[in-house]
Amino acid sequence: KNEVEQSPQNLTAQEGEFITINCSYSVGISALHWLQQHPGGGIVSLFMLSSGKKKHGRLIATINIQEKHSSLHITASHPRDSAVYICAVRNNTDKLIFGTGTRLQVFP
Amino acid sequence: KAGVTQTPRYLIKTRGQQVTLSCSPISGHRSVSWYQQTPGQGLQFLFEYFSETQRNKGNFPGRFSGRQFSNSRSEMNVSTLELGDSALYLCASSFSGWGQPQHFGDGTRLSIL
Repeated sequence: KNEVEQSPQNLTAQEGEFITINCSYSVGISALHWLQQHPGGGIVSLFMLSSGKKKHGRLIATINIQEKHSSLHITASHPRDSAVYICAVRNNTDKLIFGTGTRLQVFP
Repeated sequence: KAGVTQTPRYLIKTRGQQVTLSCSPISGHRSVSWYQQTPGQGLQFLFEYFSETQRNKGNFPGRFSGRQFSNSRSEMNVSTLELGDSALYLCASSFSGWGQPQHFGDGTRLSIL
């Protein structure tokens, strides 16, 4: 079993829909990151969380440390949100562990 | 402000050769991390350098090595290349490590023939 699990693996949506991507982890962590990777490979760091909730534009990230779970929400989705979203954690021994990613396609 | 620059963007090598990849971080960033991304294994952490010292290392064989220079630029070397080393190699920089926002380069796509 992977130490970081993401769901769903693939997600399609119509423009304007509310989207949720989930990340569950089984290790103690010091921080969790959400990353966005567009076709071609470039990765953008969206959020870094150690507790609570963060919001940036149409993106919202939450983390529940007790339940070892984080969610990434996209409100009013747009075709330009189409990308792979990756959850990454730094565990308590400073090792970096990545989820396998969620491929999102938003259609006009 | 210039972003993270990785060179070369594409590279083709044959088995048994060695390769050196370069990463120039954002000015002022002292932490550089390297990652390997393959379709089968996804993203995997290779190592992290901070102020010319390797601070953390992933589970890769000794064929994978790196270093960081006094200007924070970093190089990654892979010796005795194997077919399985074909991957996208990404680096990321930050002021002090993964407790801070990471800035990624566009990667070097390495193909082994």
